[in-house]
Amino acid sequence: GAVVSQHPSWVICKSGTSVKIECRSLDFQATTMFWYRQFPKQSLMLMATSNEGSKATYEQGVEKDKFLINHASLTLSTLTVTSAHPEDSSFYICSARGQGANYYGYTFGSGTRLTVV
Amino acid sequence: GIQVEQSPPDLILQEGANSTLRCNFSDSVNNLQWFHQNPWGQLINLFYIPSGTKQNGRLSATTVATERYSLLYISSSQTTDSGVYFCAVERYNDMRFGAGTRLTVKP
Repeated sequence: GAVVSQHPSWVICKSGTSVKIECRSLDFQATTMFWYRQFPKQSLMLMATSNEGSKATYEQGVEKDKFLINHASLTLSTLTVTSAHPEDSSFYICSARGQGANYYGYTFGSGTRLTVV
Repeated sequence: GIQVEQSPPDLILQEGANSTLRCNFSDSVNNLQWFHQNPWGQLINLFYIPSGTKQNGRLSATTVATERYSLLYISSSQTTDSGVYFCAVERYNDMRFGAGTRLTVKP
């Protein structure tokens, strides 16, 4: 079945530094990738949608200069949290939608727990 | 945007009991999925079910698209079923999650 690999699983960084999170579709081509954010005991909130080769579409209230998304190929999307601050600490999850008749729905990565100290 | 409501928000069961989780959505959708989020945060896809009924072991799901709701049935619950169950719907390449149902199964 469709597999999405997300790395790192967890990261601790100092305030003011940048962190990059990778999301790879391992056995299918992902025409669209999505980035979600989840605070403790809350639901997943869509941050942005990215299509391969084009600029990401950000949800209202999400700072595009702070959360840089790159979708340079059909198998890789990255989220960079720039100048991270403690309030950016959260669980970030990517998902991918494949193309082709064999892939239905969305497949999610295992998530990245970011702690900014 | 499309609204997704899940009920109940919390559910506590004794092991072996059955349960029904509900997901209502405010508009027609292209896709509906049920997920189980485990304690480590991993989202496990349970069903891709934009319409109709599917079964997988002790779990089954039914979506009535014309009435804009979906149900997830869990039979003979086990402690390992504990966690948060999310319903997510997609409309025009935009996937939204409900708030989830937090299930606790006690031994």
